This record gives sequence, C-alpha cells and structure tokens, in this order.
Amino acid sequence: AQSVTQPDIHITVSEGASLELRCNYSYGATPYLFWYVQSPGQGLQLLLKYFSGDTLVQGIKGFEAEFKRSQSSFNLRKPSVHWSDAAEYFCAVGSLNFGNEKLTFGTGTRLTIIP
Amino acid sequence: NAGVTQTPKFQVLKTGQSMTLQCAQDMNHEYMSWYRQDPGMGLRLIHYSVGAGITDQGEVPNGYNVSRSTTEDFPLRLLSAAPSQTSVYFCASSYGAGNTEAFFGQGTRLTVV
Repeated sequence: AQSVTQPDIHITVSEGASLELRCNYSYGATPYLFWYVQSPGQGLQLLLKYFSGDTLVQGIKGFEAEFKRSQSSFNLRKPSVHWSDAAEYFCAVGSLNFGNEKLTFGTGTRLTIIP
Repeated sequence: NAGVTQTPKFQVLKTGQSMTLQCAQDMNHEYMSWYRQDPGMGLRLIHYSVGAGITDQGEVPNGYNVSRSTTEDFPLRLLSAAPSQTSVYFCASSYGAGNTEAFFGQGTRLTVV
C-alpha cells in the first residue's frame, strides 16, 4: 500500500531564510507526487507535481521540489520565505492505476514564519 | 469560475442525526472524492467516484454513504452521526488518471455533539 511520511510536524523559520520540508513516500512503482498548501480555514491548493521526466520540478509561489528515487523522497524547497508562506503543507502520492483521485496524504507540516 | 463548491461550510449535529454534505463541480471532471481532515492525521480518503454511477470505498468509509447520479454532484451522507465524525470534510475533483491535479472545495466543518 502507498504511504507518505512527513517527519516534521512543525517548522519555524525566519522571513528571508531558506526552507526545506521533507517528504518520504512508499509506493511500488513510479509514483505521482504532489505538494499542496493549506492556508488557515481554506481548502488545499496545488503547489507542484511530479509525474515523470526532470526530477527537479518548479511550482507556484517560488517553490520547487526534487524527486529522488534512491531515497524515496520528494522534498519541498524555497530559497527565501515570505510571511505569506505561513501555512500547512501536505505531501501526497497518487495511485498509478486510478490517477490522483485516490491520493494518499502525509500528516502535514505546519510552517511558522517569524519576522 | 466556481470550481468545487461544498455546502454547508459549518454544521452542528446531535448524535444520531443524519445529514448530507453537498459537493458540486463545474469542470466536467470524471473523478470526485471525499476526505476528512483530523489534527495530526492529514487527509484520509472516505469514498471516491471514477464517474457517474460508479463509487468505491476509501480508507475510512464506515458511517458514510455516497452516490454519483450526475457528473457534477457527489453528496456525502452521514447515516447516524457520531462524535467520532467531528472533522473537516473536503471534496475534491480531477479529470482523472494521468497528468492532472485535484481541485479541492473550501471544506465543511462538522461538529457532532
């Protein structure tokens, strides 16, 4: 069965500092991988996705993620965070057979930005 | 663009009551799904549908029913509400298998007392 682990429940970074959020997945074949962001009281918004090809993917709001098959990881990065990046971030893996309507989510990482 | 619309946004139920959470999408997506979000547990799949007339169970289906009579609508029914069903519920839709993203509604916050 597919699974996702986000080892960091809560991360605090200073505005302007770099950010890396960790994600490890378990899946039997080539996965579909996603990062979503959830602002307080809102639904989830897609930041970026990986299906195949270039292992470094660019997303919205200046985020990027790197797929590393050997480490079963898909870490999210941003070189310089802004106060508006404070939110909860979810990594997800999609089922190859059924597309991404059967997403499996990690437990999320809450990001706090300090001035 | 409405996208995925969920109603109501907030609901309080008494134990044993039934209700239906509504979900509608206007993007002609084949795939729709329901998740519940609980603190520290991320989003867990309740039920999903790969097209009108076809539904299947997800990870946590007990206590919930769904049907998909049209492409646009995918209601979630709580048959007899329990305090353990207190949660935030999200509906999502997508084009289907392949290089597509899921679009989420704004959520329904349900409290069962």
